[in-house]
Amino acid sequence: GESVGLHLPTLSVQEGDNSIINCAYSNSASDYFIWYKQESGKGPQFIIDIRSNMDKRQGQRVTVLLNKTVKHLSLQIAATQPGDSAVYFCAENGDGTASKLTFGTGTRLQVTL
Amino acid sequence: EAQVTQNPRYLITVTGKKLTVTCSQNMNHEYMSWYRQDPGLGLRQIYYSMNVEVTDKGDVPEGYKVSRKEKRNFPLILESPSPNQTSLYFCASSFSGSGELFFGEGSRLTVL
Repeated sequence: GESVGLHLPTLSVQEGDNSIINCAYSNSASDYFIWYKQESGKGPQFIIDIRSNMDKRQGQRVTVLLNKTVKHLSLQIAATQPGDSAVYFCAENGDGTASKLTFGTGTRLQVTL
Repeated sequence: EAQVTQNPRYLITVTGKKLTVTCSQNMNHEYMSWYRQDPGLGLRQIYYSMNVEVTDKGDVPEGYKVSRKEKRNFPLILESPSPNQTSLYFCASSFSGSGELFFGEGSRLTVL
């Protein structure tokens, strides 16, 4: 079946550096992608989304890049801070809505001082 | 404060004893959904509801029931819990069609 996956289960980044979290997807019909952040003991929190008619979208300190050719999604965090330490999930939905999101297994971002 | 509230947050129960996990949101969202989170498997959707009286199965609906009689509430019912339903459960809501889901704090369920 279709799946959403992540390249690295754990990413360690020094405070102040940029972080890049990657995600591969296999559903070629997917046209809507979302990144969530989950801090320890809490529910996931929406970060940013992107539709397939875009290659790049920027938020506050975050940028999502979408490469439809290779079915790859990435989340870039600028000037990583200790508060960015969390598990990051990518999610996708083939019909462009959030009714049946498929989540990846997550990448843990550890920010070292 | 805009929020999704789940209860109970923690529960230990025994096989076969019916239980309900409540979920309530105060944002007037049409869409609500239940997920379970297990190590190495990420979040998997159990059931979702596009609006009052409209529910549909997610990817792992077996052993669960839901109802949506009011817009703000979306309870998850385990009629006869089994140990493989031991998990961390999340309720989420959003405006219809939006990927910006608002999640509750989670309910950790252990079935012995």
